[in-house]
Amino acid sequence: EPEVTQTPSHQVTQMGQEVILRCVPISNHLYFYWYRQILGQKVEFLVSFYNNEISEKSEIFDDQFSVERPDGSNFTLKIRSTKLEDSAMYFCASSVLAPGEQFFGPGTRLTVL
Amino acid sequence: KNQVEQSPQSLIILEGKNCTLQCNYTVSPFSNLRWYKQDTGRGPVSLTIMTFSENTKSNGRYTATLDADTKQSSLHITASQLSDSASYICVVSAGTGTASKLTFGTGTRLQVTL
Repeated sequence: EPEVTQTPSHQVTQMGQEVILRCVPISNHLYFYWYRQILGQKVEFLVSFYNNEISEKSEIFDDQFSVERPDGSNFTLKIRSTKLEDSAMYFCASSVLAPGEQFFGPGTRLTVL
Repeated sequence: KNQVEQSPQSLIILEGKNCTLQCNYTVSPFSNLRWYKQDTGRGPVSLTIMTFSENTKSNGRYTATLDADTKQSSLHITASQLSDSASYICVVSAGTGTASKLTFGTGTRLQVTL
């Protein structure tokens, strides 16, 4: 069964460093999303992406964040200069339609020291 | 502001028993409501998705209900199993078109014990 994959599973970085989180959505899906979940808190929407551009973004998704679909398969989230409060689990999701069922990846745990 | 509230926060039940989890929402414009199961350290997995016109939807031992008038939903788990231990998250989708934003509840942490 097709699934969303994410790499790495765990990323440790120093404050101020840039990180890139990678996702491979399900191949026939057209809509892509990033969410984050701070430990012990609820999942929060960051951004949705369709047709090579951002469809919608939350207030969390500020200028430090960017997304890209560099090729036909990968979908990346870049954080330019990480802060301690960026430490969280980051989930990628994809869907065929919007609104439609979103399939989540296993997540990348980001730890900023 | 769109909000999704869930109750109880946590629940412990014996294996084989049934339970019902509650969700209240204030989301506009309403598109659909989903229940997800999230194991610790894993991504959410979809259980059910319901649109405005649907009152109930089942997926095996999971049955979700939706009352769009009162903006309430419930998830009923029948004959619980140890593997049902997880967080159950109510998620409401707002909007139409190419932008789809999900509002997540804080979840109900279910523990099924022997």
